[in-house]
Amino acid sequence: EPEVTQTPSHQVTQMGQEVILRCVPISNHLYFYWYRQILGQKVEFLVSFYNNEISEKSEIFDDQFSVERPDGSNFTLKIRSTKLEDSAMYFCASRKGTVANYGYTFGSGTRLTVV
Amino acid sequence: LAKTTQPISMDSYEGQEVNITCSHNNIATNDYITWYQQFPSQGPRFIIQGYKTKVTNEVASLFIPADRKSSTLSLPRVSLSDTAVYYCLVGDYMDTGRRALTFGSGTRLQVQP
Repeated sequence: EPEVTQTPSHQVTQMGQEVILRCVPISNHLYFYWYRQILGQKVEFLVSFYNNEISEKSEIFDDQFSVERPDGSNFTLKIRSTKLEDSAMYFCASRKGTVANYGYTFGSGTRLTVV
Repeated sequence: LAKTTQPISMDSYEGQEVNITCSHNNIATNDYITWYQQFPSQGPRFIIQGYKTKVTNEVASLFIPADRKSSTLSLPRVSLSDTAVYYCLVGDYMDTGRRALTFGSGTRLQVQP
């Protein structure tokens, strides 16, 4: 079964540093997403991406965040200057299309720890 | 997006059937009902999706009454590995794909031996 691959699985960074979280969505999927989940809390939407541009973003996705699909396969989330409250699991997801039975496929996540 | 209400937690034993009900009184005509499963430290995993009546796949069944104001996820003969959080989501996913998923708190299912 095709998978969404995320790297690294765990990243520790110092407050104020930039981090880039990487995702390889399923190859024939067209819609890409980032979600995050702070420990013990809900899964929260960050951003959706289609046709090389952001489709929708949440209030969490402020100027410190950016996304990119640099080479047609990778989909990255960059946090420019990390804060302690950015510590969370970050999940990438992709979707083939918009027909109702196309479910979202999530990756296993990157656990980001900001110290 | 329609608001959903589901039990915070449920307990069961191996081999039993588990039914998790989700209320969505404000469901709209174009809304679909989707269930996801999440294990600790993993991303949510799509289980099943339906619009009305009954849908069955190799993992679960989804029962949707005629008024669509609720739905029931049925897991037959659960095992310890079914211990997870189950999320009910309602939304119109027939749009351009931009619509984000909105997760609630889910139902934490604990399966005992």
